Amino acid sequence: EIVMTQSPATLSVSPGERVTLSCRASESVTTNLAWYQQKPGQAPRLLIYHASTRATGIPARFSGRGSGTEFTLTISRLQSEDFAVYYCQHYNNWTPFTFGQGTKVEIK
Amino acid sequence: EVQLVQSGAEVRKPGDSLRISCEVSGNTFPSYWVAWVRQMPGRGLEWMGIIYPADSDTRYSPSFQGHVTISADKSINTAYLQWSSLKASDTAIYYCARHRTQYSISSPPDLWGQGTLVTVSS
Repeated sequence: EIVMTQSPATLSVSPGERVTLSCRASESVTTNLAWYQQKPGQAPRLLIYHASTRATGIPARFSGRGSGTEFTLTISRLQSEDFAVYYCQHYNNWTPFTFGQGTKVEIK
Repeated sequence: EVQLVQSGAEVRKPGDSLRISCEVSGNTFPSYWVAWVRQMPGRGLEWMGIIYPADSDTRYSPSFQGHVTISADKSINTAYLQWSSLKASDTAIYYCARHRTQYSISSPPDLWGQGTLVTVSS
């Protein structure tokens, strides 16, 4: 089973700041990597797939990069609605499709 | 617009059996993989397993193999998650989610149900 490790566990930031979240896979997942946003009481929402492709309706301030084992999600200018928990997940060759433990982005 | 609608909250005792459901609107249900994801109180997302309704090909995470059963009835566009003997540690929200790409397992889920809260307590 591939282990997905996210860092940091928590980020305290101010609105308008740029933030970068990291996700590392224990072995290569090529670019079969997705990012999700989850707010309290809501289901997760797909933000990014194939490591860098924004899902339908996702604002351009969200961007993803990486391949192999190292990935990042960047929010260029944090808005109030972006405070949430973010998860990465691989979907490479059913091993199974594990999630990272999440990064909470909170208001500073 | 495709929607995933899950069954309502459940309260059960340890040792009880339970089946929760996920109905997918539209006529393409058989050809998209559907996953189940657990979220324990205050915790992260855990991948449980997936099913391809067209032929019921089912894959489980080793962490859940043998403790839950995933199934689907393509005649009514519904996927199921069931337990034969619940434990208190099964208390969680369970989400179903449809994979993004028709026919392909190697795509992420992009449509999610609203979640079903299962509470197991004596």
